[in-house]
Amino acid sequence: EDKVVQSPLSLVVHEGDTVTLNCSYEVTNFRSLLWYKQEKKAPTFLFMLTSSGIEKKSGRLSSILDKKELFSILNITATQTGDSAVYLCAVSGNTGNQFYFGTGTSLTVIP
Amino acid sequence: DSGVTQTPKHLITATGQRVTLRCSPRSGDLSVYWYQQSLDQGLQFLIQYYNGEERAKGNILERFSAQQFPDLHSELNLSSLELGDSALYFCASSVSPRQTNEQFFGPGTRLTVL
Repeated sequence: EDKVVQSPLSLVVHEGDTVTLNCSYEVTNFRSLLWYKQEKKAPTFLFMLTSSGIEKKSGRLSSILDKKELFSILNITATQTGDSAVYLCAVSGNTGNQFYFGTGTSLTVIP
Repeated sequence: DSGVTQTPKHLITATGQRVTLRCSPRSGDLSVYWYQQSLDQGLQFLIQYYNGEERAKGNILERFSAQQFPDLHSELNLSSLELGDSALYFCASSVSPRQTNEQFFGPGTRLTVL
């Protein structure tokens, strides 16, 4: 059964800390892995990863994919209260053309 | 603002009823996706349309149906509603039907079934 598992489920850190969020997957015929940030509204796109070992960066956020070990990490450095959100990982495969979402990691950054 | 619009914002109805959720994709996007997000199940992919045709099907119940019209807006019809159908329903759009493309999410419709 295809699935995406994110860990931890929830994380509380102080401003300035660095966090690492994990996403592991078992999806037939993997095509891409996407990271989204969801505050109290719709998910917003962060990164799309298709190749192993190539880090994608956007400001304090970065992500990398390991297609051999079937996981991705999302790093956030120097966290700010505005980073508080649920971070969703989604994986697409071409079996049934489905997108599989993890249940998300809830990040709370306290001042 | 992603450019994807959804109406209504909130919907409260009773069990057994039928509702229609509407989505307008971003200008130029041909592909529309529907998702259901509930507290206990996270975000679940329901169905995808591309240029008016069904492209992919996920965990969509038989009581649910969708279509995409010539003007590319899409409607999700939910019938014989049950309490468990209460959830946030998102629509997303992308330029192409390929799974590797970024999707832009609408603000969602919150459905409450009493």
